Parts: sequence; C-alpha cells; structure tokens
Amino acid sequence: EPEVTQTPSHQVTQMGQEVILRCVPISNHLYFYWYRQILGQKVEFLVSFYNNEISEKSEIFDDQFSVERPDGSNFTLKIRSTKLEDSAMYFCASTIQGGRYGYTFGSGTRLTVV
Amino acid sequence: KQEVTQIPAALSVPEGENLVLNCSFTDSAIYNLQWFRQDPGKGLTSLLLIQSSQREQTSGRLNASLDKSSGRSTLYIAASQPGDSATYLCAVPGGSQGNLIFGKGTKLSVKP
Repeated sequence: EPEVTQTPSHQVTQMGQEVILRCVPISNHLYFYWYRQILGQKVEFLVSFYNNEISEKSEIFDDQFSVERPDGSNFTLKIRSTKLEDSAMYFCASTIQGGRYGYTFGSGTRLTVV
Repeated sequence: KQEVTQIPAALSVPEGENLVLNCSFTDSAIYNLQWFRQDPGKGLTSLLLIQSSQREQTSGRLNASLDKSSGRSTLYIAASQPGDSATYLCAVPGGSQGNLIFGKGTKLSVKP
C-alpha cells in the first residue's frame, strides 16, 4: 500500500537553529499538508499546499515557517529559527482531492528543541 | 468554527469486551469523517473513512457509524484484544481545502 514517508524520525536542535523536515507524499496525490501535535494535545493543522503554492494556513503558521516542493517528489517544512515551543511531532499528509477520499499520514518527525 | 469532542478521554477494558468510542462535532456540514489510530509516539493510521452519504463503514472488527444531523459518530470495536491498545482519533474536514479538525482522542487500554 502506498505510504507517505517522513525523514528524519527524530531531530534534536538548538533553539534559534533552522530545521528542515522532509516528506515524500504518495506519488499520485495532489494536495499536501503539514500538521503538528504538541505532547498531550490535539493534532493541529499548519498548512496545505496545492499546485505549487500554499492554499491555506493556520494562525500557527507564521513567518518562521515555510513550505516548499523543491522537486517532483519531496515536500518540506522549514522552521527558520526554532523556539522551545516548536517541540512537537510534525506530520505530513497527502490526499488525492482535498480530503474527499481521505488522508494518508506519514509516521511523523519528533522535533525536540533544546 | 468546527469543534470535535471525543468521549471518553480514556477507557480500560478486559480483553474480549465489545466497546464504543464516541465522537461529536459542532458543524454538521461535513462531507466525510475519518477515524485514526495512534500508537504512542507514532504516526496516524487511517482506520475508516465514512462519506456523508453513508451511515456505516466496516473493516474487520471495527464498525464506524455517522449521524450527520446529530453531529455524532461512533467507533465500535468487537472482541477487543490487547493489540487494540492505542489512542483513537476522529477528524472531520474544516477549512476550504478540507484540512482536518481533530478530536483529542480516546486512549484505549485492553487488559489481557
């Protein structure tokens, strides 16, 4: 069964450093998403991406965050200057058609900011 | 603004029991609802997707129902096993691009 692949599975970074989280969505999917889950809290939407541009973003997704699809397969989330409160599990997801046929999530990247 | 609530927050049952997990949502204008399983520190595994035109969806020992008018969904697990121990999340589409709104989940523990 097709999978969404995320790397790395765990990343530890110093506060103020830039991090890039990587995702390979399912090949025939057109919509890509990033979500995050702070320990003990709900999974929260960050951003959706379609046709090579951001289609929607939450209030969490401020200027410290950016997304990119640098080639035909990868989808990345960059956090420019990490803060302690960015420590969370980050999930990438993809869908065929905006969620009408369900989401497929990756296994996540646990980001720890120290 | 769509909100999703899951009750109970935690549930502990002996092996073999049948159980029901509940999910409610405030805005009934949804086109589907998805149930996920999350093991500790792991990703989200899709269990069932119910379209708004359906009332039920089944996969093995799992059965999910959807009542849009009342803003409710249930996940029924038959003959529970210790391997079913996990957190179960429900989610509905929210924004214009269908981004998901999640409940906080029900943490299920099945004791041998």
